[in-house]
Amino acid sequence: AQTVTQSQPEMSVQEAETVTLSCTYDTSESDYYLFWYKQPPSRQMILVIRQEAYKQQNATENRFSVNFQKAAKSFSLKISDSQLGDAAMYFCAYGRNYQLIWGAGTKLIIKP
Amino acid sequence: DGGITQSPKYLFRKEGQNVTLSCEQNLNHDAMYWYRQDPGQGLRLIYYSQIVNDFQKGDIAEGYSVSREKKESFPLTVTSAQKNPTAFYLCASSDGLAGPAVDTQYFGPGTRLTVL
Repeated sequence: AQTVTQSQPEMSVQEAETVTLSCTYDTSESDYYLFWYKQPPSRQMILVIRQEAYKQQNATENRFSVNFQKAAKSFSLKISDSQLGDAAMYFCAYGRNYQLIWGAGTKLIIKP
Repeated sequence: DGGITQSPKYLFRKEGQNVTLSCEQNLNHDAMYWYRQDPGQGLRLIYYSQIVNDFQKGDIAEGYSVSREKKESFPLTVTSAQKNPTAFYLCASSDGLAGPAVDTQYFGPGTRLTVL
């Protein structure tokens, strides 16, 4: 059964603006890790951001930040000042039982 | 430069043939993984290895086999028993200190396998 849901198959944003990609997951665990990976047209997967559920503070990496709502089991990714190089598939993943469970991805289009 | 290499980039297989996908890393990572990626779906784990000479099945191991004779190498064989092998295959590695559900994974560029 799918336990990571990315409800937006595709999103578009104007260059320099902000966009938020959503991710929800299903778990009964109290401590776990969540990840956002980016897959550009080259298809090589790259880590964007990583969050430990035990830590309440939202993770941030430069223009990328997350809004982690543990009770709601939500882990959205915010991209500020969008750039053309941000165009990619974005995958959310949840760590469970010695593996990562992946969402189906959101395709992000940047409009110049 | 440290990284993960996968070869070939494109691979074509006739029905009934076994093919082997190569994955090599020079990151000195203990753990290595093979994923399958199909359109519209998340990555699915085929096999993973946390140490040399040991590996575990993932969710979709049927029709695939692996070996881990060296720390740097984790080849994947797609056998004729795999009923629908056409897909994009990604290899990854991690330092293995905390486990696959916690460690950051680093990915290779992938191999596109097509069955003719």
